[in-house]
Amino acid sequence: GQNIDQPTEMTATEGAIVQINCTYQTSGFNGLFWYQQHAGEAPTFLSYNVLDGLEEKGRFSSFLSRSKGYSYLLLKELQMKDSASYLCAVMDSNYQLIWGAGTKLIIKP
Amino acid sequence: GAVVSQHPSRVICKSGTSVKIECRSLDFQATTMFWYRQFPKQSLMLMATSNEGSKATYEQGVEKDKFLINHASLTLSTLTVTSAHPEDSSFYICSARDLSGGHTDTQYFGPGTRLTVL
Repeated sequence: GQNIDQPTEMTATEGAIVQINCTYQTSGFNGLFWYQQHAGEAPTFLSYNVLDGLEEKGRFSSFLSRSKGYSYLLLKELQMKDSASYLCAVMDSNYQLIWGAGTKLIIKP
Repeated sequence: GAVVSQHPSRVICKSGTSVKIECRSLDFQATTMFWYRQFPKQSLMLMATSNEGSKATYEQGVEKDKFLINHASLTLSTLTVTSAHPEDSSFYICSARDLSGGHTDTQYFGPGTRLTVL
């Protein structure tokens, strides 16, 4: 079956760095997405990785290893507004999105 | 974990026809379902909130007469794109909120439906 795993919840301190991992097993691979979702709001697109390596975008970076079925989202210089759920989703060979359950990130002062 | 399915996964239709997309929660009851539209590498755009047994709540700018939503049961919501045009071609994603077991803020997303209007 198809499966996406990510931690349910993480806690970090304001100003610190946090890494949210995502492992996947899917039928084919057409890219991996990271979204940020604040409570009561629609998910916001953060990144898309289809090739191995690190993509940096400001305070957020996303890494992909296709051979390992692994990705991580790295958040630097954490701010209180980064408290949200972070969703990992993989597009399979049929261009269907397989979603992780999301990681709730709690930022403490 | 909770599973949300969508049917069909992809559909191609002629301009002017109507297309119905189903969203089902497979192992939980969802009083609230959400319909999103996604453009490539962009955020999900919330179109409407579907409430079981009542009218859907549409976001500003979304035509309710064009995008008909019916949430007839606790496990099924449908989105009908009426008189579809090429600009309606997109990836439509639904999600369902699971209120059981205290999961008040948990949303489960469907795999999406790719609509192509010729």
